[in-house]
Amino acid sequence: EAQVTQNPRYLITVTGKKLTVTCSQNMNHEYMSWYRQDPGLGLRQIYYSMNVEVTDKGDVPEGYKVSRKEKRNFPLILESPSPNQTSLYFCASSLGGPGEQYFGPGTRLTVT
Amino acid sequence: AQSVTQPDIHITVSEGASLELRCNYSYGATPYLFWYVQSPGQGLQLLLKYFSGDTLVQGIKGFEAEFKRSQSSFNLRKPSVHWSDAAEYFCAVDSITQGGSEKLVFGKGTKLTVNP
Repeated sequence: EAQVTQNPRYLITVTGKKLTVTCSQNMNHEYMSWYRQDPGLGLRQIYYSMNVEVTDKGDVPEGYKVSRKEKRNFPLILESPSPNQTSLYFCASSLGGPGEQYFGPGTRLTVT
Repeated sequence: AQSVTQPDIHITVSEGASLELRCNYSYGATPYLFWYVQSPGQGLQLLLKYFSGDTLVQGIKGFEAEFKRSQSSFNLRKPSVHWSDAAEYFCAVDSITQGGSEKLVFGKGTKLTVNP
């Protein structure tokens, strides 16, 4: 089944404790992206990757890192999480550009 | 900068009634337009897309949308709503940034409630 998987689905952590949210797709998609969703603010792009070893900042990249060492994986790294990073995070992928994206189920992160 | 406006934050309709969700975009060139749906607790799913050609496009789950260049609109419609359509709906435009990269710009969403 074609899908984007994210782990973990739920995470509660404390300020400053490094964490990684994994994202994997099995569709051989070139484009992958991370978004955060907050009430009243909609979806905002954090980082995206056009292909392996090619990543770029989205609208809200501060406090986040990504890497794209393999085509299928695009982990999101929070080196020192802060409470303002409490949010719902989505990973997405698409074959070419960002238009027709497949979204993962989301990761709800709470930073206390 | 490119933008997408969904004027209605929340809409309530009765089951079986017709539905229209509004979307207006700001984009200089011919836009690539999309509607996504987010069911409770789930990720977004593509409903339909417009690239060019026929301005009335059909999507999944019985939805359709009409592109109107003169009004910069891409409204989503469904003739008869089902309770399972209760979700949040996002309009999006595929745009080119000042730096030349491509990105998807989302509206803030319209939450649909369906009354029995």
